[in-house]
Amino acid sequence: GAVVSQHPSWVICKSGTSVKIECRSLDFQATTMFWYRQFPKQSLMLMATSNEGSKATYEQGVEKDKFLINHASLTLSTLTVTSAHPEDSSFYICSAGSGRGDEQFFGPGTRLTVL
Amino acid sequence: AQSVSQHNHHVILSEAASLELGCNYSYGGTVNLFWYVQYPGQHLQLLLKYFSGDPLVKGIKGFEAEFIKSKFSFNLRKPSVQWSDTAEYFCAVNANQAGTALIFGKGTTLSVSS
Repeated sequence: GAVVSQHPSWVICKSGTSVKIECRSLDFQATTMFWYRQFPKQSLMLMATSNEGSKATYEQGVEKDKFLINHASLTLSTLTVTSAHPEDSSFYICSAGSGRGDEQFFGPGTRLTVL
Repeated sequence: AQSVSQHNHHVILSEAASLELGCNYSYGGTVNLFWYVQYPGQHLQLLLKYFSGDPLVKGIKGFEAEFIKSKFSFNLRKPSVQWSDTAEYFCAVNANQAGTALIFGKGTTLSVSS
C-alpha cells in the first residue's frame, strides 16, 4: 500500500531557530500534500495544502511566512517552522493524495518541542 | 464551509459492549467520508471510507459505518468492542474532487475496560 514517511519523527530546538520537516511519498507520486497540526488530545487542524510546483494554499490564521512549505517534487514536501517559539510546539502531520480526490495517506507525524 | 461534528467526546465501555460513535457533517456537495483511529502513541490509521455505492461500509477490525445522506451522518459502529479498541477515533470528510484536504471532527476518546 501507499506509504508516507516523515523526518524527523521528533525534534527539540531552541526558541528562535528554524526547523525543517520532510514528508515523502515512498511508493507513489503525490500531486497534493497536506500539512496538519495536532495539539495534545485534540483533533487535526489543516494548516496548508501543497501542490507540486506551485505555492501552497494556507488556511485562515496560519502564517505563511512562519510556516514555509515547499513541494518541489511529486514525492517530497517540506515544512519549515521559522523562528520557532514554544507555542509552535506541536505534532505536525502530513498526508499525501494521488490527486484523484479520494483517500489520503498519512505520515507518522513529527513532534516538535521548542524550548 | 465544511465542518464535522462528533457528538461524543469520551466514551467508556466494558468489553463486549456495542459501540456507536456519532458523526455529522456539513457540506453542500458530494463528499467522501472517513473514519480514522489513532492508538496511543501511534499515527492515524484508516478504519474505513465511503466514496459512493452501498451506504453501509465495512472496515477493518470489525468496524462498520453507515452513510445516511438525509441526515448528513456517518456513524461508526462495532457490535462488540475489545480492550484493544481503546483509542482516539476521528471522523473526517472531504469534497469529492481532486486535491481537497480532509476536515476532521474533534475526535472521540474510547476507553474499553476489560
